Amino acid sequence: AQSVTQPDIHITVSEGASLELRCNYSYGATPYLFWYVQSPGQGLQLLLKYFSGDTLVQGIKGFEAEFKRSQSSFNLRKPSVHWSDAAEYFCAVGREGGYQKVTFGTGTKLQVIP
Amino acid sequence: ETGVTQSPTHLIKTRGQQVTLRCSSQSGHNTVSWYQQALGQGPQFIFQYYREEENGRGNFPPRFSGLQFPNYSSELNVNALELDDSALYLCASSLAVQGNTEAFFGQGTRLTVV
Repeated sequence: AQSVTQPDIHITVSEGASLELRCNYSYGATPYLFWYVQSPGQGLQLLLKYFSGDTLVQGIKGFEAEFKRSQSSFNLRKPSVHWSDAAEYFCAVGREGGYQKVTFGTGTKLQVIP
Repeated sequence: ETGVTQSPTHLIKTRGQQVTLRCSSQSGHNTVSWYQQALGQGPQFIFQYYREEENGRGNFPPRFSGLQFPNYSSELNVNALELDDSALYLCASSLAVQGNTEAFFGQGTRLTVV
């Protein structure tokens, strides 16, 4: 069964500092991987996705993620965090096709301090 | 703005009652998935509908049921509500074609069972 682990429940960074959110997955084949962001009381917004090809994926809002098959990881990075990035971030693994069950991690809550 | 709309935004029900949540999918999308997100947790897959038929189900009891209509909008029905059903219910729509798994989420319905 597919699963996702986000080992950091909370992370606090200073505005302007770099950010890395960790994600490890378990999946029997080549995974389809996603990062979503959720602001309080809101739905989920897709930041970026990996299906195949280049293992470094660029997303919206200046985020990027790197797929490392050997480490079963898909960590999210941003070189300089803005106060508006404060939110909860979810890593997810899914698969192609009509049956698109997506399994989410438990999330990492990001706090940005001035 | 994803084009996926859910109604109502908030709902309070009493234990034992029944509830219906609605989702209008993004134009052109033929697949709708429902997720339950308890407080402080990641979304959990409930089920998915593809062309009006259930196309996959997570670990939820039969009192969670759904429908998809010819216009691809969808309903989630929950019978015999329990306190633990209190959660944010998210709908996601997508176009189930080869190579595409991007799902767009609505803002969710916050259900409180008292």
